[in-house]
Amino acid sequence: NAGVTQTPKFQVLKTGQSMTLQCAQDMNHNSMYWYRQDPGMGLRLIYYSASEGTTDKGEVPNGYNVSRLNKREFSLRLESAAPSQTSVYFCASRDTYNEQFFGPGTRLTVL
Amino acid sequence: LAKTTQPISMDSYEGQEVNITCSHNNIATNDYITWYQQFPSQGPRFIIQGYKTKVTNEVASLFIPADRKSSTLSLPRVSLSDTAVYYCLVGDGSGGFKTIFGAGTRLFVKA
Repeated sequence: NAGVTQTPKFQVLKTGQSMTLQCAQDMNHNSMYWYRQDPGMGLRLIYYSASEGTTDKGEVPNGYNVSRLNKREFSLRLESAAPSQTSVYFCASRDTYNEQFFGPGTRLTVL
Repeated sequence: LAKTTQPISMDSYEGQEVNITCSHNNIATNDYITWYQQFPSQGPRFIIQGYKTKVTNEVASLFIPADRKSSTLSLPRVSLSDTAVYYCLVGDGSGGFKTIFGAGTRLFVKA
């Protein structure tokens, strides 16, 4: 039981490049989340998916798109990366008791 | 939009009890209050959750007054390994799936 997995663990992009961050969970949870965490700061919600087939904006959705591919997978796409998107990105899934389980994070640097 | 307010940082010594209070004035009627712990370079980890009164598990207690506008996480007899950032989490005020992390409280436990 791997829990929540994220790929890649590290990524360096140039301004304007695009990439997709992958997230998968094997706990059969309905809800999934994408957060970003800037150095020394708290987590900010980018997008969430309450259930398969639905996605909604969080606090800071600009510059991102998401896809809930199936119940297991929830991807985050940066279409045109900017230095302001340099951050650590965490994916989480949530069980029926409201507990969120977090992945190990993706550390993204945009030059 | 529900917002949480916590002290930015706290210091303690090993063996002491630590109480961290979170203010959430706009909490929705059906929102739970959840606390997470985060170590450097890791995703947050669930500690405890409650709706009202007192909840206790093997690592912490959570005290919630009747008006639910605040909550207090109590860590008994902290050790050096409890040095971490602690987040109080509630919903966005609508009772839905959107969740808002605050800035967190940085707890530093000294020997």
